[in-house]
Amino acid sequence: GAVVSQHPSWVICKSGTSVKIECRSLDFQATTMFWYRQFPKQSLMLMATSNEGSKATYEQGVEKDKFLINHASLTLSTLTVTSAHPEDSSFYICSAYNEKLFFGSGTQLSVL
Amino acid sequence: AQSVSQHNHHVILSEAASLELGCNYSYGGTVNLFWYVQYPGQHLQLLLKYFSGDPLVKGIKGFEAEFIKSKFSFNLRKPSVQWSDTAEYFCAVTPTGGFKTIFGAGTRLFVKA
Repeated sequence: GAVVSQHPSWVICKSGTSVKIECRSLDFQATTMFWYRQFPKQSLMLMATSNEGSKATYEQGVEKDKFLINHASLTLSTLTVTSAHPEDSSFYICSAYNEKLFFGSGTQLSVL
Repeated sequence: AQSVSQHNHHVILSEAASLELGCNYSYGGTVNLFWYVQYPGQHLQLLLKYFSGDPLVKGIKGFEAEFIKSKFSFNLRKPSVQWSDTAEYFCAVTPTGGFKTIFGAGTRLFVKA
């Protein structure tokens, strides 16, 4: 079956630094990928829809300049958390659509 | 290893039929449980969730799920499905107090009008 690879699975960074998370579709091309965020004791929250070759569509309340999304190829979307702060600590997960939805394994970000 | 198993990959029902989608998980500690739905052409949406308390939880659009701790199950039910329930349904588990969410492979439901 289709596989979505997300990297890194865990990252710890200092406040003020930027962190890039990659989401790759390994055996299919994905024109659409989704980025979600999950806080403890809460469900997933859609952050943005990433479309290959065009700008991402952000959900209301998600800062575009804070969470940069790039979907430069049909197999790769990246989420960059810029100038990370402790409140950005969360679980981030991507998914890619290829007739059905496939999920990455998620990235736990801890900002010190 | 932690895992989530959804019993059926595809389910076809007629309108007004009752629905039950199975979900079992494997995890050594306490968990929070979720059912998400993805309608055609849309992103994932939360149907319902269980954190604690009454093991029978009710969600949107008439869905409910029952957490049976002894069986490590969290099956999704709806008494009478509608054509508009055609979608893919994902069961997901998060360790209580933890971050990582593990998804089942999804069950694609098709409801015939």
